[in-house]
Amino acid sequence: EVQLVESGGGLVQPGGSLRLSCAASGFTFSSYWMSWVRQAPGKGLEWVANIQQDGSDRYYVDSVRGRFTVSRDNAKNSLYLQMNSLRAEDTAVYYCAREDCSSTSCPFGYWGQGTLVTVSS
Amino acid sequence: EIVLTQSPATLSLSPGERATLSCRASQSVSSYLAWYQQKPGQAPRLLIYDASNRATGIPARFSGSGSGTDFTLTISSLEPEDFAVYYCQQRSNWPPHTFGQGTKLEIK
Repeated sequence: EVQLVESGGGLVQPGGSLRLSCAASGFTFSSYWMSWVRQAPGKGLEWVANIQQDGSDRYYVDSVRGRFTVSRDNAKNSLYLQMNSLRAEDTAVYYCAREDCSSTSCPFGYWGQGTLVTVSS
Repeated sequence: EIVLTQSPATLSLSPGERATLSCRASQSVSSYLAWYQQKPGQAPRLLIYDASNRATGIPARFSGSGSGTDFTLTISSLEPEDFAVYYCQQRSNWPPHTFGQGTKLEIK
């Protein structure tokens, strides 16, 4: 059974940092692109970043580029999101999601349960 | 950046009725479109990929159609568990992957 379990969320002050983790199991983690998707309270979904299977390519939404870093450790079946210079508008539930690129639209086939990040003084 | 516009924002229907949800892209995304269902307090769930293919375990009452810029998610006969928020998402021209703003399907 595919499982994605996020951790590391919490309350942080503006300008602070936080590192999210996503533990993957039930599939060959090193074979998949992985993404982070966030959802602000009461709002829609926003893709944040993704990373290629071997970590060689990474992409970000403009609003986080230069502040967030996505990484992975295939030996530990884990995905990470290092978030620096956090702003109030980064407050959201952060989901890790697997990109299923066996189909052309590479949908997010599996999602974790999410971890809440609150940026507030 | 490709913008996805979903309509209507809210759809009020009764169980047993047919639901038709629309997603329009600001430029062609070919068939690189997916649909997700999200219930309160839960992660999104993949329903449809490649515009018209049902994901594993998704009931046959859910169907997707369209290509280019206009897409439709149809639920043929609503079950009580279908009332949720639905999002479309494209991966044709990325980054970024983009989502529509969502359609809330509520019980009338």
